[in-house]
Amino acid sequence: DADVTQTPRNRITKTGKRIMLECSQTKGHDRMYWYRQDPGLGLRLIYYSFDVKDINKGEISDGYSVSRQAQAKFSLSLESAIPNQTALYFCATTGPEETQYFGPGTRLLVL
Amino acid sequence: GENVEQHPSTLSVQEGDSAVIKCTYSDSASNYFPWYKQELGKRPQLIIDIRSNVGEKKDQRIAVTLNKTAKHFSLHITETQPEDSAVYFCAATLNDYKLSFGAGTTVTVRA
Repeated sequence: DADVTQTPRNRITKTGKRIMLECSQTKGHDRMYWYRQDPGLGLRLIYYSFDVKDINKGEISDGYSVSRQAQAKFSLSLESAIPNQTALYFCATTGPEETQYFGPGTRLLVL
Repeated sequence: GENVEQHPSTLSVQEGDSAVIKCTYSDSASNYFPWYKQELGKRPQLIIDIRSNVGEKKDQRIAVTLNKTAKHFSLHITETQPEDSAVYFCAATLNDYKLSFGAGTTVTVRA
């Protein structure tokens, strides 16, 4: 599903560094989401946005921030990365039918 | 918010046998229940969903059942095949376009 793309796909960084994960979609959806996936914990919502002017915290927003630059773009930032932010990060979009379409994921390792 | 519990966390079945995964949810107002399949190294993808006005839905070898009174729903896979090996996630939503995911079930189909 090339309609939702994420960059980078893999990233290794050091504690204290600022990093940005980017998401783009060509589905024309207004709703976009950022999740993190950890083994045994499923998918947990970090932030979500229902349109360009709307940003909402999810269940685990501490240590993260987001920017909705356009309808098609939603970026996730880690201002000062820490090792327990090592995880697989997914961006997703939702259309009117509520089906979520996920990007390919970004694997982040914080040393 | 909604809390979704999923069992079992791992499931090993013989090829050709059936697999059943169960989820419970906490908010009786939840009305949409999708199931996602995530193959190794891939993104989660929707395989089937059910709404609260329906008790059961089938799509070839997979089916989902919903018991609103007991607040649980289940995924049934019949005649399992090796390509059914994956992690399966259930989810629930209050019709607010935010999904709460279960922790996932790793299904292994033995040849």
